Amino acid sequence: NAGVTQTPKFQVLKTGQSMTLQCAQDMNHEYMSWYRQDPGMGLRLIHYSVGAGITDQGEVPNGYNVSRSTTEDFPLRLLSAAPSQTSVYFCATKFGREGTEAFFGQGTRLTVV
Amino acid sequence: GNSVTQMEGPVTLSEEAFLTINCTYTATGYPSLFWYVQYPGEGLQLLLKATKADDKGSNKGFEATYRKETTSFHLEKGSVQVSDSAVYFCALSDRTGTASKLTFGTGTRLQVTL
Repeated sequence: NAGVTQTPKFQVLKTGQSMTLQCAQDMNHEYMSWYRQDPGMGLRLIHYSVGAGITDQGEVPNGYNVSRSTTEDFPLRLLSAAPSQTSVYFCATKFGREGTEAFFGQGTRLTVV
Repeated sequence: GNSVTQMEGPVTLSEEAFLTINCTYTATGYPSLFWYVQYPGEGLQLLLKATKADDKGSNKGFEATYRKETTSFHLEKGSVQVSDSAVYFCALSDRTGTASKLTFGTGTRLQVTL
């Protein structure tokens, strides 16, 4: 039982490049989300999804796209990377829409140069 | 909007010392409150939670009580160990829009020395 799996663990991009951060879960959780973690700012919500085909914006959505075609996967796309997107990205899932425990992946450390 | 304020770190303690990490919150509704812990190189894991006023969450010797009158959820442990060294995040979950979303504090790094 893998839980929440994020790939890659580390990535270096040049400004303007695009990439997709992958998140997969095997817990059949309805809710999936992406956060970024920056020093002194805690975790901030980028996008979230309450089920396949449904996505919504969080606190800091600009520069990121998401889609949810299956229950298991919730990829995060950076279309044109900027140095301000250098961060650690976490995918998190919950069983339902309400305030239950969130399960986190191990994170992707992204550096944009 | 919702917000969570935690004490600045790092907090450095000797093993077996008493730990308090302060957390206060602002929320428009009736949130659930959480403490998450992040060990080096890992994602966050739930440490404890409380879903209504006066509830006490506890786990692994850590405790926190949901105080609505002071809008606080301070984390305490009577005797810390070196293995407790980590970053601790206070968070609230409140229903806005289509789902309950977590709002995190900035995190408090705890370092425990022998």
